[in-house]
Amino acid sequence: GAVVSQHPSWVICKSGTSVKIECRSLDFQATTMFWYRQFPKQSLMLMATSNEGSKATYEQGVEKDKFLINHASLTLSTLTVTSAHPEDSSFYICSAEAGGPSGANVLTFGAGSRLTVL
Amino acid sequence: GQNIDQPTEMTATEGAIVQINCTYQTSGFNGLFWYQQHAGEAPTFLSYNVLDGLEEKGRFSSFLSRSKGYSYLLLKELQMKDSASYLCAVRDSNYQLIWGAGTKLIIKP
Repeated sequence: GAVVSQHPSWVICKSGTSVKIECRSLDFQATTMFWYRQFPKQSLMLMATSNEGSKATYEQGVEKDKFLINHASLTLSTLTVTSAHPEDSSFYICSAEAGGPSGANVLTFGAGSRLTVL
Repeated sequence: GQNIDQPTEMTATEGAIVQINCTYQTSGFNGLFWYQQHAGEAPTFLSYNVLDGLEEKGRFSSFLSRSKGYSYLLLKELQMKDSASYLCAVRDSNYQLIWGAGTKLIIKP
């Protein structure tokens, strides 16, 4: 089945620094990838939709200058959290759609990246 | 607005059967998904329903009634490893995925 690889799994950084998270589709091409954020005991929140070769589409309330998304190829999207602050500490998960049962496009998730900003 | 409702938490006994309900109000419907998410991990796909009826996959089954805006996930022969959160998601007319808050399932011996 479709596999999405995401790293790093864990990252701890100092306040004010930037952190880059990579998301790769390993055995399929993904023109679109999705970046989610999940705070403890809360549901998934879509941050942005990453489009290969064009600008990402951000959800309302998500700062595009703070969360930089680059989708340079059909298998790689990156999320950079710039000037990270403690409130940015969260679980960031990328995903991509691949073929599933009954013709559905099933969202396959990476393993997630847990960011802790000190 | 669009809304998906699931119970926040459920408890069941190992070996038993549990049904997790999901009701939705969305602008259009293009399929309903169930995902399992263990603590600290990313969600994994469990099932997909686009037509009314029951889809069975091993110990897990998922049911859909579009006219009622209702789905359930049925887990049989519960095992301790089934302790997780179960997320219901609906794809709307814009092909956007709307997520429920998830149901935390606790399995007791």
